[in-house]
Amino acid sequence: EIVMTQSPATLSVSPGERATLSCRASQSVSSNLAWYQQKPGQAPRLLIYGASTRATDIPARFSGSGSGTEFTLTISSLQSEDFAVYYCQQYNNWPLTFGGGTKVEIK
Amino acid sequence: EVQLLESGGGLVQPGGSLRLSCAASGFTFSSYAMSWVRQAPGKGLEWVSSISGSGVATHYADSVKGRFTVSRDNSKNTLSLQMNSLRAEDTAVYYCAKHGPQWLFDYWGQGTLVTVSS
Repeated sequence: EIVMTQSPATLSVSPGERATLSCRASQSVSSNLAWYQQKPGQAPRLLIYGASTRATDIPARFSGSGSGTEFTLTISSLQSEDFAVYYCQQYNNWPLTFGGGTKVEIK
Repeated sequence: EVQLLESGGGLVQPGGSLRLSCAASGFTFSSYAMSWVRQAPGKGLEWVSSISGSGVATHYADSVKGRFTVSRDNSKNTLSLQMNSLRAEDTAVYYCAKHGPQWLFDYWGQGTLVTVSS
């Protein structure tokens, strides 16, 4: 099983600032990496797939990078609606696995 | 517009059974693989099971293998999860999710809560 490790667990950021979230895979997943956003009481929403491709209707302030085992989600200028929990997921191998999540909170 | 609506959750005793359903609309259901993903209270996301568009291929997490069975009825645009021998650690919100061209989840339902407790 590929273990996905996200860091930090919690990120405190002021509105308008940049946020950088990390995701590491225990073995290569190529570019088969997705990022999801989940707000309290809501279902997750797909943000990024293929490590760097934004999903439909996702604002340009969200960007993804990386390949192999190291990945990054960057939110260039945090808006109030961006405070949430973010998960990475690899879909290169079975079983499909998620990282433990990074909570982005208001500083 | 893609819509996924789960139902069937509730309170069940340890060792009991429950069947979840997911009604899909807004896309050609038989063309896409589907999955169940769960989230225990206050915890992260855990993939549970997937099924191909035709229903021929299925995959299960080790934690549910032999106890849960995923199925689909493409004539009714419905995904199901039969859960047997339920344990306290199966307590979670269960989400129905659609796969895109690969095994990423591009649309999610709102979830249904399963509580296993005596």
